[in-house]
Amino acid sequence: GNSVTQMEGPVTLSEEAFLTINCTYTATGYPSLFWYVQYPGEGLQLLLKATKADDKGSNKGFEATYRKETTSFHLEKGSVQVSDSAVYFCALSTPGSARQLTFGSGTQLTVLP
Amino acid sequence: DGGITQSPKYLFRKEGQNVTLSCEQNLNHDAMYWYRQDPGQGLRLIYYSQIVNDFQKGDIAEGYSVSREKKESFPLTVTSAQKNPTAFYLCASSQSISSNQPQHFGDGTRLSIL
Repeated sequence: GNSVTQMEGPVTLSEEAFLTINCTYTATGYPSLFWYVQYPGEGLQLLLKATKADDKGSNKGFEATYRKETTSFHLEKGSVQVSDSAVYFCALSTPGSARQLTFGSGTQLTVLP
Repeated sequence: DGGITQSPKYLFRKEGQNVTLSCEQNLNHDAMYWYRQDPGQGLRLIYYSQIVNDFQKGDIAEGYSVSREKKESFPLTVTSAQKNPTAFYLCASSQSISSNQPQHFGDGTRLSIL
């Protein structure tokens, strides 16, 4: 079956620090990969996605590259802001799967001024 | 603006009571989903629906029921059989079940027990 393993949090950084949140996956078939972000008290918002190997998804300064050889999709940002404080979820879906998304457990990020 | 509307934002349930969470979307999406989120955990799929008048159980369907009488609506009922209903419930939709279509989420309903 499909599974997603995320770096355990919480992660606390100072403003302008470099961010990496690790995500690895196990999937039957050829998955599409996603990062979602959840701000306090809200639902999830799609942050970025990649649908094939070596694709790089990017949005709002965040990037993640689909690495098939290491089954990874690590999230990075060069300089975080206080407003980036949120919970980040890695997720995947596979072709033909009737139930679309498998989520990781989430990583809480806190950015201090 | 197109989107997903969940209501109410907060809901309280008494012992032995059924409660219904509303989810409406105006994105013209075929597929809709209900997830449960517990503190410090990822999302777990309760039910999903690919088209009107069709729905399937997810990983944790026991104690829950759904209906899909209209394309834009996918209400979730938390029944008295659900012994631990306190959680954050998220509704989502996507254009289709196709794997690379992203899901769009509502802002959630937080359910608590009185």
